[in-house]
Amino acid sequence: DAMVIQNPRYQVTQFGKPVTLSCSQTLNHNVMYWYQQKSSQAPKLLFHYYDKDFNNEADTPDNFQSRRPNTSFCFLDIRSPGLGDAAMYLCATSRRTATNEKLFFGSGTQLSVL
Amino acid sequence: GQQLNQSPQSMFIQEGEDVSMNCTSSSIFNTWLWYKQDPGEGPVLLIALYKAGELTSNGRLTAQFGITRKDSFLNISASIPSDVGIYFCAGRQNTETGTASKLTFGTGTRLQVTL
Repeated sequence: DAMVIQNPRYQVTQFGKPVTLSCSQTLNHNVMYWYQQKSSQAPKLLFHYYDKDFNNEADTPDNFQSRRPNTSFCFLDIRSPGLGDAAMYLCATSRRTATNEKLFFGSGTQLSVL
Repeated sequence: GQQLNQSPQSMFIQEGEDVSMNCTSSSIFNTWLWYKQDPGEGPVLLIALYKAGELTSNGRLTAQFGITRKDSFLNISASIPSDVGIYFCAGRQNTETGTASKLTFGTGTRLQVTL
């Protein structure tokens, strides 16, 4: 059974039209991450939540926002999508421990911007 | 910032052949993770390594944490068509307790297996 679930799998939006991607997890992990992955590239971290604390990467555009209403759910909001924001968006979770921490990814949401 | 270089970038092999790929860094990492990503899917964790010199297997896959802590290797034995995909290494450095540790990803190795 999937443990990190992303919806929808495919999302099409119009240029400038706000879009929200969702992620839920059944692992009870305290850390949730959002990554952006463009074709043939490695995933790029946008931001993460450590419990309720939001941590933004320095180079993440203001256009990208996130919400984590509870442990299980996390949302990625793109306020005004541009053509360059078309990508696969990956949610990941982990349990922060001193050792043997592992990151588990969802199946991703493929975003197209028309 | 740190960079992880993976090689080779891509490889074509025949079914049944063994495969080797590696990941190198200019910085020391304390954890190495190897992921496989199929087209249109998220990365799936294959092997996790936590100690320098550690050698860990998962079925036909074997990975090693380099002694210098600056590299890691992944081997696939007797490849099959479903091994096709992109393999990413990811390294992590220790962070303070109470903060999330972030992964640095490698550039990926694209594997294609021919019959």
